[in-house]
Amino acid sequence: TQLLEQSPQFLSIQEGENLTVYCNSSSVFSSLQWYRQEPGEGPVLLVTVVTGGEVKKLKRLTFQFGDARKDSSLHITAAQPGDTGLYLCAGGRMTTGTASKLTFGTGTRLQVTL
Amino acid sequence: ETGVTQTPRHLVMGMTNKKSLKCEQHLGHNAMYWYKQSAKKPLELMFVYNFKEQTENNSVPSRFSPECPNSSHLFLHLHTLQPEDSALYLCASSQHLPSQGAGELFFGEGSRLTVL
Repeated sequence: TQLLEQSPQFLSIQEGENLTVYCNSSSVFSSLQWYRQEPGEGPVLLVTVVTGGEVKKLKRLTFQFGDARKDSSLHITAAQPGDTGLYLCAGGRMTTGTASKLTFGTGTRLQVTL
Repeated sequence: ETGVTQTPRHLVMGMTNKKSLKCEQHLGHNAMYWYKQSAKKPLELMFVYNFKEQTENNSVPSRFSPECPNSSHLFLHLHTLQPEDSALYLCASSQHLPSQGAGELFFGEGSRLTVL
């Protein structure tokens, strides 16, 4: 079984602070996705990284895929209340069909207060 | 029209009831999924349908019965459920090429199920 452990599980910070969320596994993945889920809604994709060592930036969010493609991190600069939500990493495996094979992480619940 | 629509949003049922969850996607995708989201557990994949054919059943108890009449609709039929089945059930769809690895999942808002 491929497990993805996220840390921390919970994070409560004030607006303007920086934070990093980690996603670790002993398994190698062909790709790594990050989703954000807000209360009462389904997860929404933020980014997909596919190359070991890859870094992607999305405004104040920086995503990195580990060199060995076993881990990833999400760094948020100057957090805002709108960043509040559940952050999920998901490791992808190659498939022969057209269905995605994703293993989801344990999740990090972020709360950003004024 | 939103991409993936789930109904009902909330459902309360007794252990002897029979109910169904419905999912509809308007994105033209060929793959549809049911996931279970419980507190303190990672999202659990339940079923995968690809071109209406079930391609994965993750050892889900038979009290959950999926149905995929076409690429746009997915149902989850529920009967004789247990209180521990209470959770948020998420439907998702995707479309990607195998050479690209895992594609993006588009999720619905979920159906919050409570089993009494």
